Amino acid sequence: EAQVTQNPRYLITVTGKKLTVTCSQNMNHEYMSWYRQDPGLGLRQIYYSMNVEVTDKGDVPEGYKVSRKEKRNFPLILESPSPNQTSLYFCASSAQGDNEQFFGPGTRLTVL
Amino acid sequence: KQEVTQIPAALSVPEGENLVLNCSFTDSAIYNLQWFRQDPGKGLTSLLLIQSSQREQTSGRLNASLDKSSGRSTLYIAASQPGDSATYLCAVRRGDSWGKLQFGAGTQVVVTP
Repeated sequence: EAQVTQNPRYLITVTGKKLTVTCSQNMNHEYMSWYRQDPGLGLRQIYYSMNVEVTDKGDVPEGYKVSRKEKRNFPLILESPSPNQTSLYFCASSAQGDNEQFFGPGTRLTVL
Repeated sequence: KQEVTQIPAALSVPEGENLVLNCSFTDSAIYNLQWFRQDPGKGLTSLLLIQSSQREQTSGRLNASLDKSSGRSTLYIAASQPGDSATYLCAVRRGDSWGKLQFGAGTQVVVTP
């Protein structure tokens, strides 16, 4: 089944404790992207990647890191999480930028 | 900077009525526009993708139009059903940067039996 998977689905952590949210797709897509969704602010793009080793900032990249060492994986790294990074995070992928995006199920992160 | 607006923020209609959802964007230089559906606590499901060169797309009871020059897209859902209750989001792929997407805040739809 073609899909985008994210792990973990739920995470509660404390300020400053490094964490990684994994994203993997099995559709051989070149493009992958991370978003956060907050009430009243909607979905905002954090980082995106056009292909392996090619990443760029979205609208809200501060406090996040990404890497794209393999085509199928695009992990989101929070080096020192803070409470304002409490949010619902989505990973998405598409074959090319012009094609439709497929979204993962989301990761709900709480930073205490 | 591109801004995407969806009005109304919420909508309630009786079953069987047609739904009309609006999406407007400030910069007409876009690559495409995509409509999504989001159920509470769930991810986004793609409904329709319209390329910048297209005027409309159809899938079953769904029809989406795009008027780039006026910065508007409309999603029509015919003969609504309670199962259509969800939040509907539109997103534009920005013309200034191919990789960047801008989302609207969404329209929350409730279809009452």
